[in-house]
Amino acid sequence: EVVMTQSPATLSVSPGERATLSCRASQSVSSHLAWYQQKPGQAPRLLIYGASTRATGIPARFSGSGSGTEFTLTISSLQSEDFAVYFCQQYDNWPPLTFGGGTKVAIK
Amino acid sequence: EVQLVESGGGLVQPGGSLRLSCEASGFSFSSYSMNWVRQAPGKGPEWIAYIISSSSTIYYADSVKGRFTVSRDNAKNSLYLQMNSLRDEDTAVYYCTRVDTMILFHWGPGTMVTVSS
Repeated sequence: EVVMTQSPATLSVSPGERATLSCRASQSVSSHLAWYQQKPGQAPRLLIYGASTRATGIPARFSGSGSGTEFTLTISSLQSEDFAVYFCQQYDNWPPLTFGGGTKVAIK
Repeated sequence: EVQLVESGGGLVQPGGSLRLSCEASGFSFSSYSMNWVRQAPGKGPEWIAYIISSSSTIYYADSVKGRFTVSRDNAKNSLYLQMNSLRDEDTAVYYCTRVDTMILFHWGPGTMVTVSS
C-alpha cells in the first residue's frame, strides 16, 4: 500500500499570501497524484489531477507540481473561499487508492 | 450534469447491518466503474470499494473485506453498499464516486453512518 503523508497539518496564512502544501508518497506514484479541497459539511472537490492539471472551473491561482514521491500544491494568493482542508490522493498503485491525512489552511 | 445522491445512512448498533444506495444521473451509469469512499470525523478520506461497470471485477479495502458487499443495478442507475457486522470504527460519511481512471471527479454529498450502542 502506498502511504501518503501531508505536511504541515495546519498552515496559517493571511489573505493574499501564498500557501505551499506538501504531499509525499512512500513509493513513486509517477504523476498519478490528485489534490482535493474540502470545506466543512461538504464532499471533497477535485482541484488538480495528473499532479499539475487543473480540473474544470478551478482558478489559476491553484497550481500543482512534482512527480515520483514529492508533490506540492501552491495557492498563489489566498482568497477567503480558499480556507479549507486539502487532501492528496495517489492513483498509480491500486487497490487501494490512498489519501493523505490532509492540510488545514487556516486564517492567520 | 453528473449527479450522485447517497441514501440509507443512520444510527446502527455494533454488529448491525445497513444498506446504502447511490442514485446516479446525468451520465451513462452503465459505462462507468464506481467507488465507495468513506471519511471518519476529522480524518482523511478512505477508499473502501470499487466495482467495474459490468460488476465482473470488485475490490475492497482490507478494513471492510468480508463484511461489506458492493453491487450495482445498471437498469436502475444505482450503486449499493451492503454493510454487515458493523463496528464503531465504521462510523463515517459514506460517499459514492464515479471512476475516471481512478481520479475522483464526481462525488455525492454523502450519507452519515453512525455505529454506536
